[in-house]
Amino acid sequence: EPEVTQTPSHQVTQMGQEVILRCVPISNHLYFYWYRQILGQKVEFLVSFYNNEISEKSEIFDDQFSVERPDGSNFTLKIRSTKLEDSAMYFCASSAGDLSNEKLFFGSGTQLSVL
Amino acid sequence: AQKITQTQPGMFVQEKEAVTLDCTYDTSDPSYGLFWYKQPSSGEMIFLIYQGSYDQQNATEGRYSLNFQKARKSANLVISASQLGDSAMYFCAMREMNYGGATNKLIFGTGTLLAVQP
Repeated sequence: EPEVTQTPSHQVTQMGQEVILRCVPISNHLYFYWYRQILGQKVEFLVSFYNNEISEKSEIFDDQFSVERPDGSNFTLKIRSTKLEDSAMYFCASSAGDLSNEKLFFGSGTQLSVL
Repeated sequence: AQKITQTQPGMFVQEKEAVTLDCTYDTSDPSYGLFWYKQPSSGEMIFLIYQGSYDQQNATEGRYSLNFQKARKSANLVISASQLGDSAMYFCAMREMNYGGATNKLIFGTGTLLAVQP
């Protein structure tokens, strides 16, 4: 079964550094998402992306965050200047469509630790 | 505003028994989808089951079934014949219908940690 792949699985960085989290969505999917999960808390929506632009973003997704689909296969999340509170598991997801019955396929996540 | 509530932070169940994980939701949208995801200790999010707001029958997927009570706005997950491998965090989530062509986010509950005991 096709899957969403994320790299790296773990990322450790110093506060203030830039990080790029990478994702390869399922190849025929058109909608891409980033979610995060702070340890012990619920999964939170960050951003959705369709047709090479952001279609929706949460209040968490401030100017420090950006997303990009640099080629036909990768989908990246960049955090420009990391803060301690950015430490979380970051999940990439994709879906074929955007109706309410479309299930999201999630990657295995990138655990980001900001020191 | 969308809201998903999972009131059971943790549950125990004996192997081979059935267990129900509760989920209630709040939405003013008549069209929505309800999802359950499993998150084992390895961290990945695994889709389990989907229920649409207009579906007449409760969804079933193998040992998973969804007890959908629309009037009560509840979508409880029932796992039959629990196995040790079912031990994980379980998240209920909701997505409202998209009319305008833009994507809608999936809203998650806080999760229920299920421990299956031998």
